[in-house]
Amino acid sequence: DAEITQSPRHKITETGRQVTLACHQTWNHNNMFWYRQDLGHGLRLIHYSYGVHDTNKGEVSDGYSVSRSNTEDLPLTLESAASSQTSVYFCASSSGQGGYEQYFGPGTRLTVT
Amino acid sequence: ILNVEQSPQSLHVQEGDSTNFTCSFPSSNFYALHWYRWETAKSPEALFVMTLNGDEKKKGRISATLNTKEGYSYLYIKGSQPEDSATYLCAFLHIKAAGNKLTFGGGTRVLVKP
Repeated sequence: DAEITQSPRHKITETGRQVTLACHQTWNHNNMFWYRQDLGHGLRLIHYSYGVHDTNKGEVSDGYSVSRSNTEDLPLTLESAASSQTSVYFCASSSGQGGYEQYFGPGTRLTVT
Repeated sequence: ILNVEQSPQSLHVQEGDSTNFTCSFPSSNFYALHWYRWETAKSPEALFVMTLNGDEKKKGRISATLNTKEGYSYLYIKGSQPEDSATYLCAFLHIKAAGNKLTFGGGTRVLVKP
């Protein structure tokens, strides 16, 4: 069965370190998204990609970067982790244009100390 | 920045009672409205994708309606059960948002008490 996975599921890191969160999907979806979950804000979009070599900034992109070298993967990098980036991160994917549902990964809980 | 509001933020429902809550979104440049169910410690799962004004969708005891002209959608839970306890998210898709770039509301957290 097709799926979307994230790793690691939990991560503790120190302020200033570079951290990369992995997202891998086997749906063969063109669209991939990274969100962070914050109390009172629901899900906020960090970065997204509509295909290989395409990346775009979301509403809370400062301090994050992504790259899309193939269809299956969209790793999220925190260049220099800050305590404000402590959150739960969700990756999602969807096919095509318009009103296609998004499929979410299980989430990565990141703590920056 | 698109404004997608959900109300109430949380509600407690007695088992067996029915309930409903609201998602408000911009009434112009509408393309689609999504509803997701998000259980604690799990990831969001799609309930409905609605695209037409007047749309009504149903999945078991959960249903949703859509009014694109006035910019709101209602989600209804009939005969609530403890397993309906979750956060329900709506998400708006703007007509000019290429691909599937959604703007999420803050969610309505539903707790069904036995």
